[in-house]
Amino acid sequence: EAGVAQSPRYKIIEKRQSVAFWCNPISGHATLYWYQQILGQGPKLLIQFQNNGVVDDSQLPKDRFSAERLKGVDSTLKIQPAKLEDSAVYLCASSLQGWGQETQYFGPGTRLLVL
Amino acid sequence: SQQGEEDPQALSIQEGENATMNCSYKTSINNLQWYRQNSGRGLVHLILIRSNEREKHSGRLRVTLDTSKKSSSLLITASRAADTASYFCAIFGRSNDMRFGAGTRLTVKP
Repeated sequence: EAGVAQSPRYKIIEKRQSVAFWCNPISGHATLYWYQQILGQGPKLLIQFQNNGVVDDSQLPKDRFSAERLKGVDSTLKIQPAKLEDSAVYLCASSLQGWGQETQYFGPGTRLLVL
Repeated sequence: SQQGEEDPQALSIQEGENATMNCSYKTSINNLQWYRQNSGRGLVHLILIRSNEREKHSGRLRVTLDTSKKSSSLLITASRAADTASYFCAIFGRSNDMRFGAGTRLTVKP
């Protein structure tokens, strides 16, 4: 079974530029999560999708971050414009049904550096 | 936000010793999960314990949950150098929200 795929693996941009990350969850998984992990900290949930609907986006900085999961499968997370403090690893995870009742499977992450 | 708080922040032990990490939280939960993250890699799920469970085992891992004290512990027995990683507890709350703690960094010396 293929795992959660993310791309790119690394990205370096200058502040005020835009960037987008892509995630393809495990086939058949209804729930998809985007996390931000700043160095030395735990993952912070940005947004949770159940199929293509948003379940929780309370910690997403909506003035600059956006995410979509149009067909209930893969997802993109965008930052526009980026700030220095956005430097972090962006992790995507998926689970079969969601609602936190099951194991989340994580992708390798995208490491973003904003200069 | 009912983020879990791990204790200690860092732990260094010798191979073969046991390692215990603790997680405390503030509100009611549906379940609590433990994850491991090796340096520079993604997170791997270890154990999920539900609010009505008190103890679970998986190989060398033992997790306990005390809902009256709002705390959980992860015990790794007979540790190995390969157990060196950061360990995170994740709280799944009654509001269907998922929050991770800051983690415990475990170093197992050979």
